[in-house]
Amino acid sequence: NAGVTQTPKFQVLKTGQSMTLQCAQDMNHEYMSWYRQDPGMGLRLIHYSVGAGITDQGEVPNGYNVSRSTTEDFPLRLLSAAPSQTSVYFCASSYSGGFQTQYFGPGTRLTVL
Amino acid sequence: AQSVTQLGSHVSVSEGALVLLRCNYSSSVPPYLFWYVQYPNQGLQLLLKYTSAATLVKGINGFEAEFKKSETSFHLTKPSAHMSDAAEYFCAVSAANTDKLIFGTGTRLQVFP
Repeated sequence: NAGVTQTPKFQVLKTGQSMTLQCAQDMNHEYMSWYRQDPGMGLRLIHYSVGAGITDQGEVPNGYNVSRSTTEDFPLRLLSAAPSQTSVYFCASSYSGGFQTQYFGPGTRLTVL
Repeated sequence: AQSVTQLGSHVSVSEGALVLLRCNYSSSVPPYLFWYVQYPNQGLQLLLKYTSAATLVKGINGFEAEFKKSETSFHLTKPSAHMSDAAEYFCAVSAANTDKLIFGTGTRLQVFP
């Protein structure tokens, strides 16, 4: 199993550009989530999904869109990138929420100029 | 709503010394509590978790944590630090009535020879 994969590993955008961060898992997990990691702020939940077709907002959803058309994939879209979105983004998956262990991808380091 | 507070953004110990990383939680319902570790330039991986069974939880690499409801704490300890323990450690909380995993701000552990 590849686990949780994320692409790209690194990305540089200009303010106002749009892009999609890809996340895929091959563990048949229902629950997937996106976090951003910033120095001194830990990981903050952006959006999450409890199954195909179901998404919900986390702590910091503004400026990001998600959709979940399949169990395997959970892309994160930046509609109009801003410097404040410079961060490291992690995707995670688990069988469900609650007490289940989340498995993290290797991260995407995004810089917005 | 759930939240966690990690006291001390940086902790330094000598190799062979006790490691103590502090975590206090807030939850209106019985919580699930987790410690994750992040090595440089990697994603997070689970160290251990408390899911309302035994209050003393043993994890990987010799770490353990004790759930103390009266103190709303879930501190992480290891009797003898190793150089390979140098990493960032995150405490996180979830609950049965939510699908969200909420992280603390992290504690960076340095181990000196």
